[in-house]
Amino acid sequence: DAGVTQSPTHLIKTRGQQVTLRCSPKSGHDTVSWYQQALGQGPQFIFQYYEEEERQRGNFPDRFSGHQFPNYSSELNVNALLLGDSALYLCASSWQGYEQYFGPGTRLTVT
Amino acid sequence: KNEVEQSPQNLTAQEGEFITINCSYSVGISALHWLQQHPGGGIVSLFMLSSGKKKHGRLIATINIQEKHSSLHITASHPRDSAVYICAVDSSGGSNYKLTFGKGTLLTVNP
Repeated sequence: DAGVTQSPTHLIKTRGQQVTLRCSPKSGHDTVSWYQQALGQGPQFIFQYYEEEERQRGNFPDRFSGHQFPNYSSELNVNALLLGDSALYLCASSWQGYEQYFGPGTRLTVT
Repeated sequence: KNEVEQSPQNLTAQEGEFITINCSYSVGISALHWLQQHPGGGIVSLFMLSSGKKKHGRLIATINIQEKHSSLHITASHPRDSAVYICAVDSSGGSNYKLTFGKGTLLTVNP
């Protein structure tokens, strides 16, 4: 079992650009949650996807959007990148929202 | 005031010492998680508990729901225990829709 995987590992983008981050859940899991972790802070919940729909959303602007595919993998899209979007983006998967397993994260740097 | 407060923020110990990290929360919860994050980002779930005490190897987690407090203990600490330990609570009614995280405790264990 590969566990939760994320790609890419690191990413550098310029202000105003758009970025797509990817997450493959642990085998048997159907729910994917995304978190943003700024340097020195705890993770902040962005949103959660279940059955290809956004089930719950944190306090993030509409520039942050997502998608879940029939195979339960998920994408996080961020439009019009700001310097403040630089962070570690974590994906966690679970079965129907129960105990979450985290991926290694994608480090996004916006210059 | 954050919903989840951890103490201490930083902790330095000598190998072999007994470690305690505390977590207090201000909301009603259905479960509390203790997570470990190593440099580079990856998060590992250590415990999920809603009452009482759990033990795994040298790690022990306790929770007091009435006092809204949890502790993570590490016995016979080792340099490989050096990491950030994060407390997170599920206040969504038991479905882990959304976790709220503390800022973490940076533990350094010196040989």
